[in-house]
Amino acid sequence: DTGVSQNPRHKITKRGQNVTFRCDPISEHNRLYWYRQTLGQGPEFLTYFQNEAQLEKSRLLSDRFSAERPKGSFSTLEIQRTEQGDSAMYLCASSFRASGDIEQYFGPGTRLTVT
Amino acid sequence: SQKIEQNSEALNIQEGKTATLTCNYTNYSPAYLQWYRQDPGRGPVFLLLIRENEKEKRKERLKVTFDTTLKQSLFHITASQPADSATYLCALAPSASKIIFGSGTRLSIRP
Repeated sequence: DTGVSQNPRHKITKRGQNVTFRCDPISEHNRLYWYRQTLGQGPEFLTYFQNEAQLEKSRLLSDRFSAERPKGSFSTLEIQRTEQGDSAMYLCASSFRASGDIEQYFGPGTRLTVT
Repeated sequence: SQKIEQNSEALNIQEGKTATLTCNYTNYSPAYLQWYRQDPGRGPVFLLLIRENEKEKRKERLKVTFDTTLKQSLFHITASQPADSATYLCALAPSASKIIFGSGTRLSIRP
């Protein structure tokens, strides 16, 4: 297994454009998380999937953000009408809940720059 | 509101010494606490998990303590090496589906 992968690794976009990021979790993992991280801060929780169901979403997540995990495998995170404040690293993580083991495995992240 | 505090100032340690990082939390009653390592431009990497009924956990040169009365966890790296230089993140789970991270402490080990 090659771990969690994310694409693209870097994205530069103009304000007002829509962007979509993809995350491929570790194949046997049923849980998938999205986080946002800005410089000097820890990852900030955005949303969580168990299989294909989106079970939790941060109150900080505006209506411009949407995430899907259509078949319980890969996930996409879309940001509509991007703003400069959306510039950040977007991290995806996956885990498999078994016997209480809940450590998360993170991907390398997608760095978004909104100009 | 729930809050996690880590020392925001960078910690500089001489190689070979023990590095000790602190994580304090308020308004939580977590069932467990996790520590992650993050290198620049990369995602966090899981290091250790300690449960509320455990006082101490060790893994190689790493040791974590968890004091639910003080609402504090200490993370120790013994015999520190320059390769241990990174940012270390403390994380708590207020629910089964959500993990809250601290802002991290940057550790630098000088030769």
